[in-house]
Amino acid sequence: AQSVAQPEDQVNVAEGNPLTVKCTYSVSGNPYLFWYVQYPNRGLQFLLKYITGDNLVKGSYGFEAEFNKSQTSFHLKKPSALVSDSALYFCAVRLRGNNRLAFGKGNQVVVIP
Amino acid sequence: DTAVSQTPKYLVTQMGNDKSIKCEQNLGHDTMYWYKQDSKKFLKIMFSYNNKELIINETVPNRFSPKSPDKAHLNLHINSLELGDSAVYFCASSLKGQNNSPLHFGNGTRLTVT
Repeated sequence: AQSVAQPEDQVNVAEGNPLTVKCTYSVSGNPYLFWYVQYPNRGLQFLLKYITGDNLVKGSYGFEAEFNKSQTSFHLKKPSALVSDSALYFCAVRLRGNNRLAFGKGNQVVVIP
Repeated sequence: DTAVSQTPKYLVTQMGNDKSIKCEQNLGHDTMYWYKQDSKKFLKIMFSYNNKELIINETVPNRFSPKSPDKAHLNLHINSLELGDSAVYFCASSLKGQNNSPLHFGNGTRLTVT
């Protein structure tokens, strides 16, 4: 079984401050890991993914994520948050060779001007 | 030039009715999905088709029936609608041969059953 945990419900951060959204996963093999963002009344948009190689992955809109195998984590980060980053963020995991993508429950990010 | 398009965007109907949601993708993907997002924003996969073949069929009431006439289309028909079916339904697509291929989502269909 594969599962994803996003422990926080909401992340509040002041504009210009660093933003971190946490994600841990539980799978029995080597996973592919993804982050998606959902703006109000829109579908999910792909931000970035980890496949293999460098543990630090860079994605869209200045976001990056760090894969940590020992801690089974894939936290999303942005050095300086913008008000427009306020949205719902989903972490997802897929086992290699498996078509099933498991999503976390999502984290609401609120960037305060 | 919308990549994954769903219609309708909003659907309000009464209990017991039958309704359909249509989805089309122009990305050349071979795999399509239906997801349900509930009021708490939790996402749950319902179905997945690859080249018109059903490959994922989660525990979904058999009132829900997907149909894929070709690999660019995946429609969802719902019979005898119930209050609990109210949710946002998302269509998505990807390339099956690449497990690291991200999903591309439509903008959702907000279904309200009264």
